[in-house]
Amino acid sequence: AQSVTQPDIHITVSEGASLELRCNYSYGATPYLFWYVQSPGQGLQLLLKYFSGDTLVQGIKGFEAEFKRSQSSFNLRKPSVHWSDAAEYFCAVGAVSGGYNKLIFGAGTRLAVHP
Amino acid sequence: GAGVSQSPSNKVTEKGKDVELRCDPISGHTALYWYRQSLGQGLEFLIYFQGNSAPDKSGLPSDRFSAERTGGSVSTLTIQRTQQEDSAVYLCASTPGRDGREYTDTQYFGPGTRLTVL
Repeated sequence: AQSVTQPDIHITVSEGASLELRCNYSYGATPYLFWYVQSPGQGLQLLLKYFSGDTLVQGIKGFEAEFKRSQSSFNLRKPSVHWSDAAEYFCAVGAVSGGYNKLIFGAGTRLAVHP
Repeated sequence: GAGVSQSPSNKVTEKGKDVELRCDPISGHTALYWYRQSLGQGLEFLIYFQGNSAPDKSGLPSDRFSAERTGGSVSTLTIQRTQQEDSAVYLCASTPGRDGREYTDTQYFGPGTRLTVL
């Protein structure tokens, strides 16, 4: 069965520090992978997605993620974190069925940023 | 343009009552999804609509849950005889819905409806 694991429930970093959020997936076929961010009281906003091609994917707000098939991972990175990045981050795999995606989400990682 | 909107933003109800949650997708989007975000289960898929096709209801947790989409636009999620375990944030998402390749579309999420069952 498809699944997504985000090992870190909560991460705290200092503003300006680098960030890496971990994501591991289990999926039988070529995965379609996503990172979403959710700010308090807001819906989910797509940061980036991977379908095929270059395994290093650039997204919005300075985020990037690298797909590593051998490790079944899709970790999210940012070289320098801003206070406004404090939010909850969700990794998801698209379980394609009938031409559309049922997103399977990880449990999320809550990011706190210290000034 | 306007994004996905959901109403109400918050709903408090008593156990056993029925509730209706509404989703207005982005104009022109033909595909619509409902997800539920709860403390115990995280984010989980509930139901999918595409145009006039039969919906994929495989994620609905029980027969107390139903959804419809009128005129290919607005969708209503109905929960009958609510239980405390139904308390969650219900999220709606829409995509343009390109035939056969919708899996590449970005799902645009609304702000959600927070349901509290007392």
